[in-house]
Amino acid sequence: QSALTQPPSASGSPGQSVTISCTGTSSDVGGYNYVSWYQQHPGKAPKLMIYEVSERPSGVPDRFSGSKSGNTASLTVSGLQAEDEADYYCSSYAGITNYVFGTGTKVTVL
Amino acid sequence: EVQLVESGGGLVQPGRSLRLSCAASGFTFDDYAMHWVRLVPGKGLEWVSGISWNSGSVAYVDSVKGRFTISRDNAKNFLYLQMNSLRAEDTALYYCAKEGPTYYFDYWGQGTLVTVSS
Repeated sequence: QSALTQPPSASGSPGQSVTISCTGTSSDVGGYNYVSWYQQHPGKAPKLMIYEVSERPSGVPDRFSGSKSGNTASLTVSGLQAEDEADYYCSSYAGITNYVFGTGTKVTVL
Repeated sequence: EVQLVESGGGLVQPGRSLRLSCAASGFTFDDYAMHWVRLVPGKGLEWVSGISWNSGSVAYVDSVKGRFTISRDNAKNFLYLQMNSLRAEDTALYYCAKEGPTYYFDYWGQGTLVTVSS
């Protein structure tokens, strides 16, 4: 049950793209196509941005996309906007009601 | 509209107990697994515990096994977390989260703060 590894920070100028990695093991990220990503602004509840590796919930802009290769998943935010500045967490299903979260990445819009 | 409202947090001394509650509305509660996730100050989100729709399957993060117990009352649409033998490292904002049709958290409450300190 070790946390998934994310870079502590990422940044980009408005309009640019930023990609956040999320590295786990074959028991979580690599073993299931059930990686999800959450955006959290200070003082707010987490918000689902991506589920099942690359699916976007209704209402989430298509600037947000997800992918996975082996034990590493990625979230890409294209066309960065000021409101994208937030903490981002990945999460993976890890079997029978078990989950694990990533260490979190603070995205800064320069 | 899905609503999850947590309650029961507060300041508690190490070794004492606390029971968190989550009132759910706006969806068919007994169709979905439910979870507790905490936001640890200065760290990040940590999945704490989950329970299947019929309470037949429960799971915990290793650090709370034997101390925390998750339960649900499908008749009342409530989720609970009984926390015993609390430690300073349990200090966090505790969220109630609804599991989606597959394996992700589609709705979250606003959280209830638990502070363990003497």
